[in-house]
Amino acid sequence: DAGVIQSPRHEVTEMGQEVTLRCKPISGHDYLFWYRQTMMRGLELLIYFNNNVPIDDSGMPEDRFSAKMPNASFSTLKIQPSEPRDSAVYFCASSLRGDRETQYFGPGTRLLVL
Amino acid sequence: RKEVEQDPGPFNVPEGATVAFNCTYSNSASQSFFWYRQDCRKEPKLLMSVYSSGNEDGRFTAQLNRASQYISLLIRDSKLSDSATYLCVVNARDSGAGSYQLTFGKGTKLSVIP
Repeated sequence: DAGVIQSPRHEVTEMGQEVTLRCKPISGHDYLFWYRQTMMRGLELLIYFNNNVPIDDSGMPEDRFSAKMPNASFSTLKIQPSEPRDSAVYFCASSLRGDRETQYFGPGTRLLVL
Repeated sequence: RKEVEQDPGPFNVPEGATVAFNCTYSNSASQSFFWYRQDCRKEPKLLMSVYSSGNEDGRFTAQLNRASQYISLLIRDSKLSDSATYLCVVNARDSGAGSYQLTFGKGTKLSVIP
């Protein structure tokens, strides 16, 4: 079975540019989570969705970040405009309603903003 | 005070050694506890849940002390393949917002040496 799929795997961009990260959760999973991981702050939850509806976006750092989930098989995290401090690994994870705490992570997108 | 605290390590141990990791959490209302494993430049993966009575999975033993808000992971007969970062994870429910989320520690790095 395919796991969580993320694209791109690596992204290098310049400050001020728009960045769009994509995620396809495991088929049938009700929950989708976006995380950011840095050495300084560890793994932080940015936002999560239940049945395509955003439930908690309190972790989104600021208005430059936005996330959407137009359908059950696709989500995007957008940063506009990007800044060097946004450089991190961004993970998408999904889980089943009956077992929300077992989260399956994608391989991550390594973002470098110059 | 950080929500989930771990000794970052690194722990460098010889093959066959027994090693223990500790974790403390600040939210006394936390309900569920886990250990995730993250290999270098990979995504986190669930290693095991932590139950109040303590639980074992092969060479791995997890224990929880709710009174002290303390979680531990013991690895016996360590293998080279155990080298990874071990993340302590707590379910921190936000009762006000009705939100649900996992809070990750920054992880403890383990290197098993031949």
